[in-house]
Amino acid sequence: AQSVTQLGSHVSVSEGALVLLRCNYSSSVPPYLFWYVQYPNQGLQLLLKYTSAATLVKGINGFEAEFKKSETSFHLTKPSAHMSDAAEYFCAVRARGGADGLTFGKGTHLIIQP
Amino acid sequence: DVKVTQSSRYLVKRTGEKVFLECVQDMDHENMFWYRQDPGLGLRLIYFSYDVKMKEKGDIPEGYSVSREKKERFSLILESASTNQTSMYLCASSLVGPQETQYFGPGTRLLVL
Repeated sequence: AQSVTQLGSHVSVSEGALVLLRCNYSSSVPPYLFWYVQYPNQGLQLLLKYTSAATLVKGINGFEAEFKKSETSFHLTKPSAHMSDAAEYFCAVRARGGADGLTFGKGTHLIIQP
Repeated sequence: DVKVTQSSRYLVKRTGEKVFLECVQDMDHENMFWYRQDPGLGLRLIYFSYDVKMKEKGDIPEGYSVSREKKERFSLILESASTNQTSMYLCASSLVGPQETQYFGPGTRLLVL
């Protein structure tokens, strides 16, 4: 069974600072990996996904993530935080050949300090 | 744009009531999913469907059932609501394939008293 660990339930950064949200997965075969964002009282929106085409994946709103097989990680970064980035972020995994749903991490609440 | 809609944003029900949560997608997606979201637990899969009248249990199906009579519509049913089913319920849809993006509805916040 696969699992996802997001380190830090809350992360606080200053506006303009680097955003780093950590995600590690547990799977014997590199899975497909996803980052979703959830703004207050809304559903989830895809930020980016890794499907093995390239290890550095660029997403919407200036976010990117790098797949590192040796570290079983898929950390999300953004060079300069903006107040509008305040939201809940979820890392999710799905097995290659999987026919069921996504397995989600517990989420990281990103707080932007002015 | 893909659109996934859910019949209610907020629902208040009493213990023992039968509850129906409806989800409709407009992109002819084969796959549809129901998740439950709780603080500190992330999202957990309740049921999913890969075709009309087909359904599969997810990680936490106990106390729930589903119905998919039409391709665009996927219903979650709480046969006898209990207070521990108070939660946010999210529906999603996708094309076939594990790499395909799942598109989420806005969610239904259910309170069971």
